[in-house]
Amino acid sequence: AQSVSQHNHHVILSEAASLELGCNYSYGGTVNLFWYVQYPGQHLQLLLKYFSGDPLVKGIKGFEAEFIKSKFSFNLRKPSVQWSDTAEYFCAVNPKSSGDKLTFGTGTRLAVRP
Amino acid sequence: KAGVTQTPRYLIKTRGQQVTLSCSPISGHRSVSWYQQTPGQGLQFLFEYFSETQRNKGNFPGRFSGRQFSNSRSEMNVSTLELGDSALYLCASSSSSLRTLPPGELFFGEGSRLTVL
Repeated sequence: AQSVSQHNHHVILSEAASLELGCNYSYGGTVNLFWYVQYPGQHLQLLLKYFSGDPLVKGIKGFEAEFIKSKFSFNLRKPSVQWSDTAEYFCAVNPKSSGDKLTFGTGTRLAVRP
Repeated sequence: KAGVTQTPRYLIKTRGQQVTLSCSPISGHRSVSWYQQTPGQGLQFLFEYFSETQRNKGNFPGRFSGRQFSNSRSEMNVSTLELGDSALYLCASSSSSLRTLPPGELFFGEGSRLTVL
């Protein structure tokens, strides 16, 4: 069975700092990869996704992620965070040909100080 | 267009009771998935339905069941509730189909928060 590890459970940054959230997965086959975000009081929403092609994918609000197949990693980055990026971030993996079944990491709570 | 709608939003039950949660997907979406979210376990996959058929199932006991209707609306049921079933139950829909590769983006509802006393 696949699993997803997010190494940072809580991250506190000041505005304008750079962000990198780690995500590693274990699965022997080909996967689709996602980052979801949950802002305070809101529902989960998709931040970005990787299916194939260019391993550097760009999402909404200036976020990007890089898929490194050899490291089974899909780290999330943002050059300069804003207070409005305060949220919980979830990495998820979806084995190809498994429908919409996602395995989520445990999440990283990001707090950005103004 | 309207998002994923889950009802009820909050409910309180006692041990041994059963509960039914409802999910209306985004119009046109035929795939509906259910997840359980708890502080300790995070988001865990319960099951996925597509065209009234269960396409995937997570590792939950048989007390957890679901179904999907012809209009794509879905319900999940938990029987003989236990304290550990207290959680936020999330429903997500997508436009994925059997012919769609890769899978569609999941659109989540706000969840049904179940408290078991």
